[in-house]
Amino acid sequence: DTGVSQDPRHKITKRGQNVTFRCDPISEHNRLYWYRQTLGQGPEFLTYFQNEAQLEKSRLLSDRFSAERPKGSFSTLEIQRTEQGDSAMYLCASSLVITEAFFGQGTRLTVV
Amino acid sequence: EDKVVQSPLSLVVHEGDTVTLNCSYEVTNFRSLLWYKQEKKAPTFLFMLTSSGIEKKSGRLSSILDKKELFSILNITATQTGDSAIYLCAVVGGGSQGNLIFGKGTKLSVKP
Repeated sequence: DTGVSQDPRHKITKRGQNVTFRCDPISEHNRLYWYRQTLGQGPEFLTYFQNEAQLEKSRLLSDRFSAERPKGSFSTLEIQRTEQGDSAMYLCASSLVITEAFFGQGTRLTVV
Repeated sequence: EDKVVQSPLSLVVHEGDTVTLNCSYEVTNFRSLLWYKQEKKAPTFLFMLTSSGIEKKSGRLSSILDKKELFSILNITATQTGDSAIYLCAVVGGGSQGNLIFGKGTKLSVKP
């Protein structure tokens, strides 16, 4: 499979726990985006990377959220001290600069 | 603030109808406009538009961009129940390096 892959597909965690999601982009893509989507809403931008550099972070991304792309390939998104409001689908997408972005299947997070 | 606004937010039609979905934007450093279809999982890419007045077409779907009036439309002719989905509009622009900014989407329901 040469598309964008995300792991895990589903995650249920207790409030206060830390979670980490992984995204493997399409191999030649140098741009990688993270979005959060709740029911009935369009994806909300969280952050994006060009190669290993994190170029922009949304104001939505509180101090509890951190993202890395250490070698310019895969990326991780960590949420510390999860809250119920963090429950959402977390989508990763990749692209070449200014071309269309392709999405992974997402990680659905449920915080109980 | 950069924004992408889609209308209507939801639409119910019958099979065979033609629908027009709207997307307007106010985004600095506009580069391109993208349409996606989202069913139960991740958004799938439909069209990328960069030039005004050039229609992109794929089967029963077509789209056009007006960079002067800052909007795009997505047309679906002879709708089918399989067209039921959320249609997302996104603009590449904003920021110093260009981000992918989504609208909230139009939920289309096609009744038999």
